Amino acid sequence: DQQVKQNSPSLSVQEGRISILNCDYTNSMFDYFLWYKKYPAEGPTFLISISSIKDKNEDGRFTVFLNKSAKHLSLHIVPSQPGDSAVYFCAASGRGGSNYKLTFGKGTLLTVNP
Amino acid sequence: DTAVSQTPKYLVTQMGNDKSIKCEQNLGHDTMYWYKQDSKKFLKIMFSYNNKELIINETVPNRFSPKSPDKAHLNLHINSLELGDSAVYFCASSPVATNYGYTFGSGTRLTVV
Repeated sequence: DQQVKQNSPSLSVQEGRISILNCDYTNSMFDYFLWYKKYPAEGPTFLISISSIKDKNEDGRFTVFLNKSAKHLSLHIVPSQPGDSAVYFCAASGRGGSNYKLTFGKGTLLTVNP
Repeated sequence: DTAVSQTPKYLVTQMGNDKSIKCEQNLGHDTMYWYKQDSKKFLKIMFSYNNKELIINETVPNRFSPKSPDKAHLNLHINSLELGDSAVYFCASSPVATNYGYTFGSGTRLTVV
């Protein structure tokens, strides 16, 4: 039962261009969403998050957009840099009780070519 | 100085053996977690401890037993290892039992042969 789906296993972009990573979710109880970045042989590191009361959150080159009606979020990286090459995980959580636990997608491997 | 450290980094063992993975965090966090990344690449939560108390226990076989001697340590013991236990196991911690502020370890790749 995939409650968080990242349908693109991989994405390749040129340095300087925009990278757009997509994520869909099915659980309407989710109200907080996060993106994690993972390099090989390392653990995931937090990148950016968004609460369901917002539709956009920006941090430097990274912007996350949330479309609640479509149960869809996306991560935009502008401009993309070779150092951004990593696996990006989308995660979601609810509220109350143990609903804070994170549910992750399968990840999307981003390759930024020089 | 590693914030969340796991040992060993790699573990190759035979079916039926018992093994342990250790995790330590020096961030002063109250909550620690074990996540499993299987062959399908999903990261799934297994257990969560808050200040040594078990607060999340997902549908995990009884062969998996977490132990938290203090809030800085969360170890994972696995009995009677099976081929399907092969995965990467990630330890993580957060300041409190919440959905943000996670710091992950670098993972332990377990291979059961």
